[in-house]
Amino acid sequence: DTAVSQTPKYLVTQMGNDKSIKCEQNLGHDTMYWYKQDSKKFLKIMFSYNNKELIINETVPNRFSPKSPDKAHLNLHINSLELGDSAVYFCASSVAGPTYEQYFGPGTRLTVT
Amino acid sequence: QKEVEQNSGPLSVPEGAIASLNCTYSDRVSQSFFWYRQYSGKSPELIMSIYSNGDKEDGRFTAQLNKASQYVSLLIRDSQPSDSATYLCAASNDYKLSFGAGTTVTVRA
Repeated sequence: DTAVSQTPKYLVTQMGNDKSIKCEQNLGHDTMYWYKQDSKKFLKIMFSYNNKELIINETVPNRFSPKSPDKAHLNLHINSLELGDSAVYFCASSVAGPTYEQYFGPGTRLTVT
Repeated sequence: QKEVEQNSGPLSVPEGAIASLNCTYSDRVSQSFFWYRQYSGKSPELIMSIYSNGDKEDGRFTAQLNKASQYVSLLIRDSQPSDSATYLCAASNDYKLSFGAGTTVTVRA
């Protein structure tokens, strides 16, 4: 019974294309996140939504646009993909306080050629 | 200055030994601290959370927090080959979780 799921697991595409990654959680959490893990394995927050409201928007190119249709879903759309966008993208979710323990999805490995 | 720094490793320990991982954080308002384990090609898995000064034990894992020194550590007792992974330290202030670069641990059989 998957808690945080992402689709697709792998995504290979060419520069300039537009792609989306979807995330769903069945934990009943209020808050969802997108992280990027680069080739050096450093994990960095990109966005966070709490009850469909954007609460964290780190310094990310505006080619990246998150969207949360409801509190169980968070999608990430990327326009005009660049080579540097190649990374693993993780979705995570947590309750909204007090501990904010975050649980991660399996990740989407994006390769831009 | 990075928000969360970990001893860079890699750390190699014999099976049955104690693996000791250290982490410091720069944001004094950080409230919650976490250790995640990440196997190669997999997602981070939460293994320990600690919120107040002192020690917290869970099975073979012990987390220690010292807010005055802005220091968090993780001890893995009786290390097993299955403990071989990258361990990520993280500190949070409300929603925002900041991760260290990770320490790779290899347990030698």
